[in-house]
Amino acid sequence: IAGITQAPTSQILAAGRRMTLRCTQDMRHNAMYWYRQDLGLGLRLIHYSNTAGTTGKGEVPDGYSVSRANTDDFPLTLASAVPSQTSVYFCASSEDRVENYNEQFFGPGTRLTVL
Amino acid sequence: LAKTTQPISMDSYEGQEVNITCSHNNIATNDYITWYQQFPSQGPRFIIQGYKTKVTNEVASLFIPADRKSSTLSLPRVSLSDTAVYYCLVLYNFNKFYFGSGTKLNVKP
Repeated sequence: IAGITQAPTSQILAAGRRMTLRCTQDMRHNAMYWYRQDLGLGLRLIHYSNTAGTTGKGEVPDGYSVSRANTDDFPLTLASAVPSQTSVYFCASSEDRVENYNEQFFGPGTRLTVL
Repeated sequence: LAKTTQPISMDSYEGQEVNITCSHNNIATNDYITWYQQFPSQGPRFIIQGYKTKVTNEVASLFIPADRKSSTLSLPRVSLSDTAVYYCLVLYNFNKFYFGSGTKLNVKP
């Protein structure tokens, strides 16, 4: 059972470039999430999705976009990367909708460096 | 906007009980509190979740006082493998998650 996979594992990116972080889950979970983790700040929610076809903004959505074309995939796109987006990005999923206080299952993370 | 606060770090010895407290002053009456554990280079992993009073599972207990302004994660008889960062998570207003900044627990032999 794979759970949640993220790609790439790490990436170094020039500022201004476009980048898509991939996230796939095989648990048929309804809700999916993207977080960024910065030293001393814990995890901050970027975007979430309750079901395929719907998305919502989290605490720090600016500079990021997401889509949810199907249940399994939830890509995160940086349209024009900036150095402040250097972070570790985690994708997560939960069986039920966001507001139902589900256990979240996290992927292994993507370490992104923007120069 | 209310968020969560935790101690930055804690030290303990093997076999001791460890209590980590999280403050969440403006939590609503119907919001849950969840705790996660994170090892280096891994994603967080669910430990326990509660709404009020006390919840216990095979690895931890969660104590929530009546005013719900804080919660305490209790780890009984910790071992070296419990060295990790522990986060509390509170869901405000149905779709606003706030993780605490994490408590780094260092368990010594």
